[in-house]
Amino acid sequence: QQQVKQSPQSLIVQKGGISIINCAYENTAFDYFPWYQQFPGKGPALLIAIRPDVSEKKEGRFTISFNKSAKQFSLHIMDSQPGDSATYFCAASKGSQGNLIFGKGTKLSVKP
Amino acid sequence: NAGVMQNPRHLVRRRGQEARLRCSPMKGHSHVYWYRQLPEEGLKFMVYLQKENIIDESGMPKERFSAEFPKEGPSILRIQQVVRGDSAAYFCASSPRTGNNEQFFGPGTRLTVL
Repeated sequence: QQQVKQSPQSLIVQKGGISIINCAYENTAFDYFPWYQQFPGKGPALLIAIRPDVSEKKEGRFTISFNKSAKQFSLHIMDSQPGDSATYFCAASKGSQGNLIFGKGTKLSVKP
Repeated sequence: NAGVMQNPRHLVRRRGQEARLRCSPMKGHSHVYWYRQLPEEGLKFMVYLQKENIIDESGMPKERFSAEFPKEGPSILRIQQVVRGDSAAYFCASSPRTGNNEQFFGPGTRLTVL
């Protein structure tokens, strides 16, 4: 059973557009939801994270929207740039133990 | 402040050999996690360690795989008698303290089994 489902699998956006990636989770005990960005041949880099006590968090061009009742959260990348082209992973964890459960990733391509 | 260090970055082994992957966490971080990533897939949790203790190894195969994080030195993920299916990227992440779920990843070790 896949605990974190991510969509779409791939996404093509024009430069300056908004990229939206969605994730849904099963376990209501999850209390930490990060997004990671990964370039080919590199390790994942933490972009932004949210906890369920807030519905939105913004850092620069990146925004997480969180819907606790629907058990969904999404990443919005405003003014998308070619340098944003990468694979994005959502994840979830519970409690202080913190091992992350990842979605399968979204490959974003931003066209100039 | 150096990030999470992993070595080697690339490792080639023949079937039946042993693979040793090393991870040095960020300075001040005492929690280490190992994940495996197969091509075109997300990362899968393997094991969570603190200094000298394995906290959670629920994601690690029962046979051939072991991990340690000694009092001194890096964390080591050891794979004995490697098989072709072990070919993957192995990532280490570190976290500063219990209750802080922020995990910072290293560049990974790409293991190829011939």
